[in-house]
Amino acid sequence: QVHLVESGGAVVQPGGSLRLSCEVSGFTLSDFPMHWVRQAPGKGLEWVTVILRNGNIKHYADSVKGRFTISRDTSKNTLSLEMTSLRPDDTALYYCAREGNAFDIWGQGTMVTVSS
Amino acid sequence: QAGLTQPPSVSKDLRQTATLTCTGNGHNVGNEGAVWLQQHQGHPPKLLSFRNNNRPAGISERFSASRSGDTASLTITGLQPEDEADYYCSAWDSSLNVWVFGGGTKLTVL
Repeated sequence: QVHLVESGGAVVQPGGSLRLSCEVSGFTLSDFPMHWVRQAPGKGLEWVTVILRNGNIKHYADSVKGRFTISRDTSKNTLSLEMTSLRPDDTALYYCAREGNAFDIWGQGTMVTVSS
Repeated sequence: QAGLTQPPSVSKDLRQTATLTCTGNGHNVGNEGAVWLQQHQGHPPKLLSFRNNNRPAGISERFSASRSGDTASLTITGLQPEDEADYYCSAWDSSLNVWVFGGGTKLTVL
């Protein structure tokens, strides 16, 4: 069974940092591009970042470029998202998603709230 | 990064047909095509259609996707109560090297 399980969401103050994790099972992490997609409360989906299969090529949305970093640890089957300089508009449910046939597998998400 | 354009809401009667649209440009929808996702309240999105309008295993034949130029469409036939959900399109933008999403269409089945 293919599963994605996100963790690490929390309430953090503006300017703070947070690291999200996505533990995968049922497939090999390096066989697929992997994404983070977020959804602010009551809003639509917003693509955040992708790491391609070779692990070296990463793309970011302008809204997070320079503040967020995607990475993976294939030995731990874990995808990560390091978030710094957090802002209130980063408040969202963060999903990890596999790009098999497009976004074919999603986790349940982990909530990040940026508030003082 | 401008997103794709979707109508905010569509309402159709039970057992009727709904067609949802998604407009981009030649660098995203017009070049790479669009994928379609369905999201029920409180749940993660589910893939309905991917490149070249293919359906993943387990997705009903009532869902079909198409594209004409820079506009992608998702047609849902024989609407059922469980089709009431938010529908998102997305596409890879080859000029910006980003994925873009539409704002989503809330489908109401009357």
